[in-house]
Amino acid sequence: QPVLTQSSSASASLGSSVKLTCTLTSGHSGSIIAWHQQQAGKAPRYLMKLEGGESYSKGSGVPDRFSGSSSGADRYLTISNLQSEDEADYYCETWDRNTRVFGGGTKLTVL
Amino acid sequence: EVQLLESGGDLAQPGGSLRLSCAASGFTFSSYSMRWVRQAPGKGLEWVSSIGATGSSPNYGDSVKGRFTISRDNSKNTVYLQMNSLRAEDTAMYYCAKVGSGSHTESWGQGTLVSVSS
Repeated sequence: QPVLTQSSSASASLGSSVKLTCTLTSGHSGSIIAWHQQQAGKAPRYLMKLEGGESYSKGSGVPDRFSGSSSGADRYLTISNLQSEDEADYYCETWDRNTRVFGGGTKLTVL
Repeated sequence: EVQLLESGGDLAQPGGSLRLSCAASGFTFSSYSMRWVRQAPGKGLEWVSSIGATGSSPNYGDSVKGRFTISRDNSKNTVYLQMNSLRAEDTAMYYCAKVGSGSHTESWGQGTLVSVSS
């Protein structure tokens, strides 16, 4: 069963960029993941599916400021030109045949 | 536009039962797998259960296996979660979700709150 590891928190200044990391366990380094955003008090929102390398596909209405990339077992979500509304929890998700797994989430604070 | 509307959340006693429903619209429901994901207060997301487009291949997270049952009625565009033998640790917001073509969670409902307490 895959396991996803995320840092518990991150912070960056308004207008800057931030790169969030989601690390897959050994043996699952080739897995596809998805990124989700959850603003305070709201339901999660699907952001993108990240397949590997620089290949990703975004959900409807997700701003161009959001992009994804990969390196080995690490999957990244980069947010450019940070806005106040980007302050949220970010979760990665992966799956295998019979199970789905979420990372513990990263709480992003926009300073 | 995809819309997923959950209902059925309530206060239940330990050992009790609840049935959650999720009414879907805005897409061809019978062509997509669906799943339930929950979030305990102040905690992260936890996958609960998934079901195939035709109702095949239901599967469950270890914490609910044997107690919860997922089903769907494609004529009503609705997916259900029957929750039996409820425990305090089942207290959470339960989200219905549409599964994308790549097996990822592609759309989320607004959630329905389940509280288990005596």
